[in-house]
Amino acid sequence: AQKVTQAQTEISVVEKEDVTLDCVYETRDTTYYLFWYKQPPSGELVFLIRRNSFDEQNEISGRYSWNFQKSTSSFNFTITASQVVDSAVYFCALSEGRTNAGKSTFGDGTTLTVKP
Amino acid sequence: DGGITQSPKYLFRKEGQNVTLSCEQNLNHDAMYWYRQDPGQGLRLIYYSQIVNDFQKGDIAEGYSVSREKKESFPLTVTSAQKNPTAFYLCASSMKSNLNQPQHFGDGTRLSIL
Repeated sequence: AQKVTQAQTEISVVEKEDVTLDCVYETRDTTYYLFWYKQPPSGELVFLIRRNSFDEQNEISGRYSWNFQKSTSSFNFTITASQVVDSAVYFCALSEGRTNAGKSTFGDGTTLTVKP
Repeated sequence: DGGITQSPKYLFRKEGQNVTLSCEQNLNHDAMYWYRQDPGQGLRLIYYSQIVNDFQKGDIAEGYSVSREKKESFPLTVTSAQKNPTAFYLCASSMKSNLNQPQHFGDGTRLSIL
């Protein structure tokens, strides 16, 4: 069975600090995808990034970066020079299996608060 | 603009009453999903549909029902059998029901018991 663990329930930082959100996953499949979503106070989840199980290259997008390590089953998310607008709940998700119909398993989320 | 529209934003249910949450998308997506979110928890899948006139139970389908008569619409009914319906409900869609497609979400409906 697939499982996603986000051990950090809440994180609070001061603006301009760097912060890393952890995500650890479990799967028996060799083919799977990992996602990060952001849920601002308005409620809707916004897709941030997708990574497939065969691509361990790290990715950087502006102040966001992602570190995917299959050896430790982790897909961590770092925000550099955090801003107040980064305050949100962040979810890591896993989709596995070629016939899994696009279903994703979500972690419980990490609530990030960035204080001015 | 294309997107997913959920209505109403807030909904109140009386004991023994069925209520229906609306979800409409104009993204021409094939797959649609309903999730339930409780405070401090992740999203749990209620039902999903890969194609019109077909849908499958998710992890917590008991007390809920859905229909998919049109590609753009996937309403969720919370029945009186659902004893703890207070939660935030999110509807999502994806281009295809493949594992590599990200999901697009609506703004959610917050359901409370009167």
